[in-house]
Amino acid sequence: QSVLTQPPSASGTPGQSVTISCSGTRSNIEANYVYWYQHLPDSAPRLLIYKNDQRPSGVPDRVSASKSGTSASLAISGLRSEDEADYYCSAWDDNLSVYIFGPGTKVTV
Amino acid sequence: QEHLGESGGGVVQPGESLRLSCAASGFVFSSYTMHWVRQAPGRGLEWVAVVSHDEKSTFYADSVRGRFTISRDNARDTVHLQMNGVRPDDTALYYCARGGGLPRGGLPTWGQGTLVIVSS
Repeated sequence: QSVLTQPPSASGTPGQSVTISCSGTRSNIEANYVYWYQHLPDSAPRLLIYKNDQRPSGVPDRVSASKSGTSASLAISGLRSEDEADYYCSAWDDNLSVYIFGPGTKVTV
Repeated sequence: QEHLGESGGGVVQPGESLRLSCAASGFVFSSYTMHWVRQAPGRGLEWVAVVSHDEKSTFYADSVRGRFTISRDNARDTVHLQMNGVRPDDTALYYCARGGGLPRGGLPTWGQGTLVIVSS
């Protein structure tokens, strides 16, 4: 059971938007940066968001993220079929001294 | 272009040992932390371990602490995961990933993974 909480699934039709929540605690999300990863089947995970809300080069601006207190969220607008994937939030936990992933959210388009 | 390539996976019996390796290229290996992350069949990503850029610090998930050891060779741009006393629930695809300057940073570069199956 993960220290971070995410909904198991989210869905939308092409062109719609979807938002994924990530809930943690003061020792992980509140105290440290949140990172988001996209994991497509048969591929390596991909860093989608770093330092709470920053997009690496190559990630489209229809992907956005935010953090407030012990919670974070990832939003994808203008959904496309290629957005179908598992999405994970992650953060370092100061109390446990471990890097933790949320359980993942499967996005269906 | 940054690249990570894992090797060493295979089928191993419960209680035995296995050593995974990950060769890095395309970046200054000695400047970054290195992580191992695994994904069991049908499960999500699980962080396993991290080693600091100078190997002075290591951290482990509770599930592997005391059984697995992460190490690195900065002269050969390689990171290893020594797996001792493996259990069936260690069956997973094991990824190595580059971190940032500190263990708490993100993981921008990943390998394709090496599969470990623990079965009698």
